[in-house]
Amino acid sequence: DVKVTQSSRYLVKRTGEKVFLECVQDMDHENMFWYRQDPGLGLRLIYFSYDVKMKEKGDIPEGYSVSREKKERFSLILESASTNQTSMYLCASSLLPGQTDGYTFGSGTRLTVV
Amino acid sequence: AQTVTQSQPEMSVQEAETVTLSCTYDTSESDYYLFWYKQPPSRQMILVIRQEAYKQQNATENRFSVNFQKAAKSFSLKISDSQLGDAAMYFCAYRGRGGSEKLVFGKGMKLTVNP
Repeated sequence: DVKVTQSSRYLVKRTGEKVFLECVQDMDHENMFWYRQDPGLGLRLIYFSYDVKMKEKGDIPEGYSVSREKKERFSLILESASTNQTSMYLCASSLLPGQTDGYTFGSGTRLTVV
Repeated sequence: AQTVTQSQPEMSVQEAETVTLSCTYDTSESDYYLFWYKQPPSRQMILVIRQEAYKQQNATENRFSVNFQKAAKSFSLKISDSQLGDAAMYFCAYRGRGGSEKLVFGKGMKLTVNP
């Protein structure tokens, strides 16, 4: 089975810190995604990547950046964490365009910014 | 832009009963995919069922089936013989077929299963 691993299940950071959320997938998937999940708002796309060193903004990219130096790894970066970035962050991956199985998700990182 | 609407934030069902979760979407595309995902307390999002818009036949997966009404842009999920393990958040999602790989999610619905 495809596995998407997020490095931390829970994370507590201070306001202003630079935060890295790491995601690794083990099945050579082309596409990787970062979502944040908030109660009553569902999942909102932050950034996604179709290939190494490629990235595209999602619906809520402000305050975030990403890095994809290797195909299997997609990092989400909070340059200066703020309390309104307290949320659940979900990473996902999928195969080439046209593949119909939706996404494979990681187990999420619950980030608290204090 | 495509949107997905789940109008009921919470529902409950008795064990062994049947429950239907509703979802509507808005799109100008004619070909696309629709999905239902389940997120139990473990937080792992699990694909429950998918439907390809060009297929008229409704998808089924064991106790899970959909009622896909393309003209009405409706995609409801029916869970038969509900089990305690079905308790979770359920998300409806849309993905276009025209090369975009982005999944657009609804806001989710919490399903409680009562013993």
